[in-house]
Amino acid sequence: SYVLTQPPSVSVAPGQTARITCGGNNIGSKSVHWYQQKPGQAPVLVVYDDSDRPSGIPERFSGSNSGNTATLTISRVEAGDEADYYCQVWDSSSDRYVFGTGTKVTVL
Amino acid sequence: EVQLVESGGGLVQPGGSLRLSCAASGFTFSSYEMNWVRQAPGKGLEWVSYISSSGSTIYYADSVKGRFTISRDNAKNSLYLQMNSLRAEDTAVYYCARLYSGYDSFLDYWGQGTLVTVSS
Repeated sequence: SYVLTQPPSVSVAPGQTARITCGGNNIGSKSVHWYQQKPGQAPVLVVYDDSDRPSGIPERFSGSNSGNTATLTISRVEAGDEADYYCQVWDSSSDRYVFGTGTKVTVL
Repeated sequence: EVQLVESGGGLVQPGGSLRLSCAASGFTFSSYEMNWVRQAPGKGLEWVSYISSSGSTIYYADSVKGRFTISRDNAKNSLYLQMNSLRAEDTAVYYCARLYSGYDSFLDYWGQGTLVTVSS
């Protein structure tokens, strides 16, 4: 089965840049989507199709995808960005949706 | 405004059954594919099941295949998850989520979730 691997945690100071990776075999050939989840809340889509942002999501959130790694970048990090982040793809070889292991972003 | 409201969660004994419902509003429910996603306490997101807009195509995670059944009633704007032979490891918050368009698409709207606890 297809596996997406994320670092368990990322710490970043306010105003700096956080980069969250999502590793998977030839993930560059897939469309990667990213979700933000704050405690006690449902996930919220922050980036779709590798690098597009839904309306209402700040431009500080951006994404890229190539080779075996997709990356979510949060620029000028704010305290309100502290949350868990998950990548997600569709695995057509098994007809399954797959979520990454999740990354907790802590704002120092 | 798109709204997804789950219900039906609760405490159930191992081996028992439960039926979750998801009431949809604010969009043409019959035009969208839907999913169930769950999250065990303190754990990550786990996809559970997918159903096409007509209900003709269904997929399940290996962890629930043969025990859970997804269905929908487009006339009632409702999505369902029938859960049988429940195990302790099925304890989780269950979310219904709308798929934007197409298999490799994203989940653009989520409900607030309903908690299922499997315990004796």
